[in-house]
Amino acid sequence: NAGVTQTPKFRVLKTGQSMTLLCAQDMNHEYMYWYRQDPGMGLRLIHYSVGEGTTAKGEVPDGYNVSRLKKQNFLLGLESAAPSQTSVYFCASSYPGMRNIQYFGAGTRLSVL
Amino acid sequence: KQEVTQIPAALSVPEGENLVLNCSFTDSAIYNLQWFRQDPGKGLTSLLLIQSSQREQTSGRLNASLDKSSGRSTLYIAASQPGDSATYLCAVRLQSGGSYIPTFGRGTSLIVHP
Repeated sequence: NAGVTQTPKFRVLKTGQSMTLLCAQDMNHEYMYWYRQDPGMGLRLIHYSVGEGTTAKGEVPDGYNVSRLKKQNFLLGLESAAPSQTSVYFCASSYPGMRNIQYFGAGTRLSVL
Repeated sequence: KQEVTQIPAALSVPEGENLVLNCSFTDSAIYNLQWFRQDPGKGLTSLLLIQSSQREQTSGRLNASLDKSSGRSTLYIAASQPGDSATYLCAVRLQSGGSYIPTFGRGTSLIVHP
């Protein structure tokens, strides 16, 4: 049982390049989330999903797209990376309902030059 | 919009002290509140989850309390150890609408020195 796995762990991009971050969970969770964490800003929600085939915008969605084609996977895409997207990205998942404890991945450190 | 504030932002204490970390929120109609620990360069690990109907939760040396009426939660760490050094974050979910969408505080960075 691996929990929440994020790939890659590190990445350096040039401005304008594109990439996809993959999040996979093996806990059969309905909900999945993508956050970014920046110094002094805390965790900010980018996009989230409440089930396979559904996605919704969070607090800071601009410049990102997501897809949830399979229940266990949640992909975060950057179509044209900008230096402002340099951050640490975290994926999380949870069950719905009262006991919806969030489980987090180890993070992806992205630098955009 | 729910706002979550954690005070203090940073704390440095000698080993053995009992600690209180604070989390305050502006909308008292919460669903639950979760405390997390984050080690440097790592993801978040859930410590305790308190439902809106509960007053406290305990796990080992950790005790989290919830006072909805005053919009506050505290995380009490007994007999602190160097291994407790980490950033502690609280996250609050509202009852209505997006009860699955938590709002995070910015965390308290704790250093426990030997």
